[in-house]
Amino acid sequence: QKEVEQNSGPLSVPEGAIASLNCTYSDRGSQSFFWYRQYSGKSPELIMSIYSNGDKEDGRFTAQLNKASQYVSLLIRDSQPSDSATYLCAASREGGSEKLVFGKGTKLTVNP
Amino acid sequence: EAGVAQSPRYKIIEKRQSVAFWCNPISGHATLYWYQQILGQGPKLLIQFQNNGVVDDSQLPKDRFSAERLKGVDSTLKIQPAKLEDSAVYLCASSLGDRVLEVFGSGTQLSVL
Repeated sequence: QKEVEQNSGPLSVPEGAIASLNCTYSDRGSQSFFWYRQYSGKSPELIMSIYSNGDKEDGRFTAQLNKASQYVSLLIRDSQPSDSATYLCAASREGGSEKLVFGKGTKLTVNP
Repeated sequence: EAGVAQSPRYKIIEKRQSVAFWCNPISGHATLYWYQQILGQGPKLLIQFQNNGVVDDSQLPKDRFSAERLKGVDSTLKIQPAKLEDSAVYLCASSLGDRVLEVFGSGTQLSVL
């Protein structure tokens, strides 16, 4: 069973702090990794993708990948109340056109 | 560009009844996905179409679920008969053939009583 594991939280951080979200995966054949944000009652939206070991930065978001440890993380700097949502980690064996396996998500609350 | 359209937005049925959901993907998107998201869980892929052919339906409960994508454009997902555990949000998504999945529809929330 190929799984993506996330701490379901909830994770609570004060406004302006760094939020750190973690994810592990069991399928060593996974090549591509994605972070989706899902607001309550809404559908997921893609915010980050990462394919190589190391860090990838996009604005306030940084994705980190360590394939040896089968570990993916998402850092949100200068967290804002509007970042409060559930963050879903997903993995794919190929570039993303193949089936995505999602984790259960981590609920983040940013307190003003 | 217009997004992925889904209908209905909400549906309430009794167990053993049948139900159908409709999805119209973004124009030009060859790949269409149906996901099931149970409350508190991540989306689970039910079926993936490439144009009008099935790429992956390994997690589709074929004894009760069926899906079709005629003419490679819009798609319908049917459940017959429904069970209580089918209560979930059914998400349709689409992407260009070789691109990462980016766009989900607003989903259909199904409650089976």
